[in-house]
Amino acid sequence: DQQVKQNSPSLSVQEGRISILNCDYTNSMFDYFLWYKKYPAEGPTFLISISSIKDKNEDGRFTVFLNKSAKHLSLHIVPSQPGDSAVYFCAASLKAAGNKLTFGGGTRVLVKP
Amino acid sequence: DAGVIQSPRHEVTEMGQEVTLRCKPISGHNSLFWYRQTMMRGLELLIYFNNNVPIDDSGMPEDRFSAKMPNASFSTLKIQPSEPRDSAVYFCASSRSLAGWDTQYFGPGTRLTVL
Repeated sequence: DQQVKQNSPSLSVQEGRISILNCDYTNSMFDYFLWYKKYPAEGPTFLISISSIKDKNEDGRFTVFLNKSAKHLSLHIVPSQPGDSAVYFCAASLKAAGNKLTFGGGTRVLVKP
Repeated sequence: DAGVIQSPRHEVTEMGQEVTLRCKPISGHNSLFWYRQTMMRGLELLIYFNNNVPIDDSGMPEDRFSAKMPNASFSTLKIQPSEPRDSAVYFCASSRSLAGWDTQYFGPGTRLTVL
């Protein structure tokens, strides 16, 4: 069973506009959430995270929102840039259980110039 | 500083052969993770170590898969015998500790093709 799901496999957005990536999870015990970014032929790189005690975390152009009641998180990229074209993975963990990440299937983002 | 190093970057082998993937974690990192990425199952955790000791191998698919970490700077993932369904990209990642907030840093991956 997929505990973390990214239902949109791909997203296309114009440069300068907002990219919104969505992620749903089923395990209500998860208390730490992350987004990773992956370019072709490279490993995933950490982008931003949020603890379950917060509902928003911002880092430059990237903002993650967490809705615990809906078991949903989203990543907003504003403004989107061509260099943001990549695959984005959301991941979740239970901090007390150690650094064991459960990943979603990924969303491929294409930012058009 | 060097990141996580994996070798080889690409491996093509025939069914039934033994395959060994190698990983050097970031110096000073005490935790090491092996992941597999496939189209069907996405990115899944196979096994992870802390201070060279395997902590959780529940993600290892079959007994054909084994992993070792003989010292703090080296780990291997072995598949024996390999099968076509093992074709995937295998990633190694490391982090300072198993604390839930410690960032995992991934290597570039090994693309394995089993014919």
